[in-house]
Amino acid sequence: DAKTTQPTSMDCAEGRAANLPCNHSTISGNEYVYWYRQIHSQGPQYIIHGLKNNETNEMASLIITEDRKSSTLILPHATLRDTAVYYCIVRVPNNDMRFGAGTRLTVKP
Amino acid sequence: GAVVSQHPSRVICKSGTSVKIECRSLDFQATTMFWYRQFPKQSLMLMATSNEGSKATYEQGVEKDKFLINHASLTLSTLTVTSAHPEDSSFYICSARDIRSYEQYFGPGTRLTVT
Repeated sequence: DAKTTQPTSMDCAEGRAANLPCNHSTISGNEYVYWYRQIHSQGPQYIIHGLKNNETNEMASLIITEDRKSSTLILPHATLRDTAVYYCIVRVPNNDMRFGAGTRLTVKP
Repeated sequence: GAVVSQHPSRVICKSGTSVKIECRSLDFQATTMFWYRQFPKQSLMLMATSNEGSKATYEQGVEKDKFLINHASLTLSTLTVTSAHPEDSSFYICSARDIRSYEQYFGPGTRLTVT
């Protein structure tokens, strides 16, 4: 699976949009982009995934560039409960899930 | 959504004893389950992949005789930490791959403390 690069940490003001970037320049055509988050001392929580089209669900939006070499996870109105480590993972769906260091997002009041 | 449970959520054991952690897929079947370990302030590291009815595949550096994995049914996998030592204290997380969708779902984790 392709490697991903994410910023180590980010801050966001409560109520504002949080935009979390991820670079995956070596992504191959059959690899999806997945986003998970992990709140302290809990298991990873699925957020969203996509192949090439932008995706939106009740939690977030995923914007994938046309060349698919990078993506952005958008939390439209961040709350304090969104403080977590966010992981961007690129994989073929039937491969195992391997985690990088992720981005530690801190939502501040 | 699909639910994966783990039991126990927390366990404290004495050095030299063994501890068993259960992972169950509650509303789907999983031929493949995964075990991860997470040390404080670090990311999740894949330890092993278990397939129902066959031997687990361990990642490099993970001792298969120390971390015994059994995947006896399509909804249950167990991880037994044998002869536990304080350095085995960690957060253990299991994950199950849905047999139909191939999506991978995670359990809530088990915090193991070896004293």
